[in-house]
Amino acid sequence: DVKVTQSSRYLVKRTGEKVFLECVQDMDHENMFWYRQDPGLGLRLIYFSYDVKMKEKGDIPEGYSVSREKKERFSLILESASTNQTSMYLCASSSGNKYEQYFGPGTRLTVT
Amino acid sequence: GENVEQHPSTLSVQEGDSAVIKCTYSDSASNYFPWYKQELGKRPQLIIDIRSNVGEKKDQRIAVTLNKTAKHFSLHITETQPEDSAVYFCAASANQFYFGTGTSLTVIP
Repeated sequence: DVKVTQSSRYLVKRTGEKVFLECVQDMDHENMFWYRQDPGLGLRLIYFSYDVKMKEKGDIPEGYSVSREKKERFSLILESASTNQTSMYLCASSSGNKYEQYFGPGTRLTVT
Repeated sequence: GENVEQHPSTLSVQEGDSAVIKCTYSDSASNYFPWYKQELGKRPQLIIDIRSNVGEKKDQRIAVTLNKTAKHFSLHITETQPEDSAVYFCAASANQFYFGTGTSLTVIP
């Protein structure tokens, strides 16, 4: 049974703070993804990674960076949090682009 | 890049009726089309998927059809039940996933 876990379910940060969101998967998947989910906008891809130390920009990378030092772990970094980054953040992993993505439970981030 | 449009954004049906959600895509290189269901407060989960070499796929009350020429695919849920109430997302994948904006389905008992 695939497990994708995220470091926090709820997070409240102040404007300007550096924020780390961590995602861990236990299925040895090559691909990992970070999405943000906002009402009416669906799931928008922020960054993804096909391999360790490798990253690719998604549709909305501005204001975010990522790190993948180990295969099982993919971190999303908000260098200087802003109120427009208040959102639900979902991590996912898959064994390839033509295969099921397994999602984590999500992190509800509020930036005040 | 790919552009996936999903309609309708909300859908209400009576229990036992059918529900249909439609998606269109723009990139002819897309060849994998999954559908995810997200119940309130939970993570999205795959319910059915179809690859471009197939025109239709069924799994009990759920079916997906694909028209590659017209670049559209649809989710069909028959004999709807209250537990089908959720947000449904379509996606298209060539080199990366592109999700639709979601359909909130409500099944009225």
